[in-house]
Amino acid sequence: EAGVTQFPSHSVIEKGQTVTLRCDPISGHDNLYWYRRVMGKEIKFLLHFVKESKQDESGMPNNRFLAERTGGTYSTLKVQPAELEDSGVYFCASSLRLAGGEEQFFGPGTRLTVL
Amino acid sequence: GDSVTQMEGPVTLSEEAFLTINCTYTATGYPSLFWYVQYPGEGLQLLLKATKADDKGSNKGFEATYRKETTSFHLEKGSVQVSDSAVYFCALSVYGGATNKLIFGTGTLLAVQP
Repeated sequence: EAGVTQFPSHSVIEKGQTVTLRCDPISGHDNLYWYRRVMGKEIKFLLHFVKESKQDESGMPNNRFLAERTGGTYSTLKVQPAELEDSGVYFCASSLRLAGGEEQFFGPGTRLTVL
Repeated sequence: GDSVTQMEGPVTLSEEAFLTINCTYTATGYPSLFWYVQYPGEGLQLLLKATKADDKGSNKGFEATYRKETTSFHLEKGSVQVSDSAVYFCALSVYGGATNKLIFGTGTLLAVQP
């Protein structure tokens, strides 16, 4: 069974440009989450999809970030325009159920560098 | 709000030494507790978890016990190996019916020397 995949693995862009990150969850997992780790600090929650619906987007930092999950399969996270403070590692995770104690399976992350 | 505090790293140990990484939490509800590990060049993977008080999670020689009275979930291993070198994250989730997002600590880098 394939795990969670993310593309690209690395992205280097200049301030003001646009970047789109992609996440493919484990097949059959309705729950998809985005997290990010900035400057070696804690990993912070961004948002949670259940199928194609945004269940919780309380962690989205501002309106420069747009997440979509059309058709309830893969998800994209667009940053437009990118700022220096957006640099970090963006993780995607998926889970089968929405329940206490449910394991979330993580992808390898996308390292974003904004110059 | 809910939060996780874990000990600062890096932690440097010799092979076969005893490991403890402290983790304490604050939660308004009744959380599930997790330890995730990130090996060099890889994504996070679940190491162990506990979903109720006094539960002990264990995997690959690592253990952690859910202590409600001290709001702690310390990670221990009796004899570390070089292959255990990684970043360890303590996390919690409080399932309120709508979401079970994870709240992480800052991570602790463990370096095991031969």
